[in-house]
Amino acid sequence: GAVVSQHPSWVICKSGTSVKIECRSLDFQATTMFWYRQFPKQSLMLMATSNEGSKATYEQGVEKDKFLINHASLTLSTLTVTSAHPEDSSFYICSVGGGGWGRPDEQFFGPGTRLTVL
Amino acid sequence: GENVEQHPSTLSVQEGDSAVIKCTYSDSASNYFPWYKQELGKGPQLIIDIRSNVGEKKDQRIAVTLNKTAKHFSLHITETQPEDSAVYFCAATFNNAGNMLTFGGGTRLMVKP
Repeated sequence: GAVVSQHPSWVICKSGTSVKIECRSLDFQATTMFWYRQFPKQSLMLMATSNEGSKATYEQGVEKDKFLINHASLTLSTLTVTSAHPEDSSFYICSVGGGGWGRPDEQFFGPGTRLTVL
Repeated sequence: GENVEQHPSTLSVQEGDSAVIKCTYSDSASNYFPWYKQELGKGPQLIIDIRSNVGEKKDQRIAVTLNKTAKHFSLHITETQPEDSAVYFCAATFNNAGNMLTFGGGTRLMVKP
């Protein structure tokens, strides 16, 4: 499977500031990356699908102006949480898919980023 | 859209016993069913998956079964070990949805030594 990294692994910020999270596909070129959010003791909720070179597709209820996604290369997608508030505190996880290895429906996940907004 | 339900939400077993986690899905067009293991503070790790043209798949102590007619699939872990303790998520996807995964609610498995 694909090897995915995220940076940072955790971040603490003040309310009103912006935070950028990076997701990297280390061993293959990912045309599609996904961003999920996971609150404590809950399941993963898809926020958006990120396609290289085009605009991200956001799920219903996810504010695209608040959660900015950039997928400028085949190995890097970034999620920027703008004007973060305490309710944005969560575990953010990216995954890579798109089947560069011949199985388009498989997804491999990064280690996640713990965001805490004070 | 797709809806995936997972049971039980928590499961406690004695080391060496078997554990079974069940999921049901709503969309008959779903054709790919992965299972993920998530340890505390980490991302989900794919442990096994099954496609709609197969009824059962096994990998050492882990097996998955699929009943397309009833629209349910199950994860079976035999000879459980303490290191199997984690949260397990089932998921379903179908090609027409851009390969997006819909996750079940998760099962917290605790294996007592």
